[in-house]
Amino acid sequence: AQSVSQHNHHVILSEAASLELGCNYSYGGTVNLFWYVQYPGQHLQLLLKYFSGDPLVKGIKGFEAEFIKSKFSFNLRKPSVQWSDTAEYFCAVNTGGFKTIFGAGTRLFVKA
Amino acid sequence: EAGVTQFPSHSVIEKGQTVTLRCDPISGHDNLYWYRRVMGKEIKFLLHFVKESKQDESGMPNNRFLAERTGGTYSTLKVQPAELEDSGVYFCASSQGLAAYNEQFFGPGTRLTVL
Repeated sequence: AQSVSQHNHHVILSEAASLELGCNYSYGGTVNLFWYVQYPGQHLQLLLKYFSGDPLVKGIKGFEAEFIKSKFSFNLRKPSVQWSDTAEYFCAVNTGGFKTIFGAGTRLFVKA
Repeated sequence: EAGVTQFPSHSVIEKGQTVTLRCDPISGHDNLYWYRRVMGKEIKFLLHFVKESKQDESGMPNNRFLAERTGGTYSTLKVQPAELEDSGVYFCASSQGLAAYNEQFFGPGTRLTVL
């Protein structure tokens, strides 16, 4: 069965630190990849997505992610986090159909 | 433009009772999804509608769960009878168009507690 693995359940960083959240998926075919974010008290929203083309995708608020097909990975990065990045981050994949598989989420806390 | 709305925001029921959750998608979005998150775990796909048709209900846990989308607008998810393991947050999402990579817009979720 397809699955998404997020390596860290909790991450604590100080402001200005660099961020990398790991995501691996298990599926050998064509995939669409997503990162969603849920800020405290808000709805889940799309941060960025990959479906074709340049494997380095840029999203909102300075986030980017790199699709490495050989590693089945889609890690999320940000060079310098802010307190307002405190949120829960979800990696997700769909494999051509509309069924989207989510990871368990990573809670990021940024200390001011 | 109004986003995806869900009702109620919270529901506390006893084991064996029935609960109906409602989702109103963004107007014009043909695709509607239900998901569930049990505390601390992954957001699990339940099913996908295109308009009023169920396209994929492979994630529905069992026949105690019934989803409908009459007229292709709002959707309901009924749990009857509820069991303790049904507790969690139920999310609804909607998206436009035929591409699976189109952004899904999520509602705030309904937190269901079964005692």
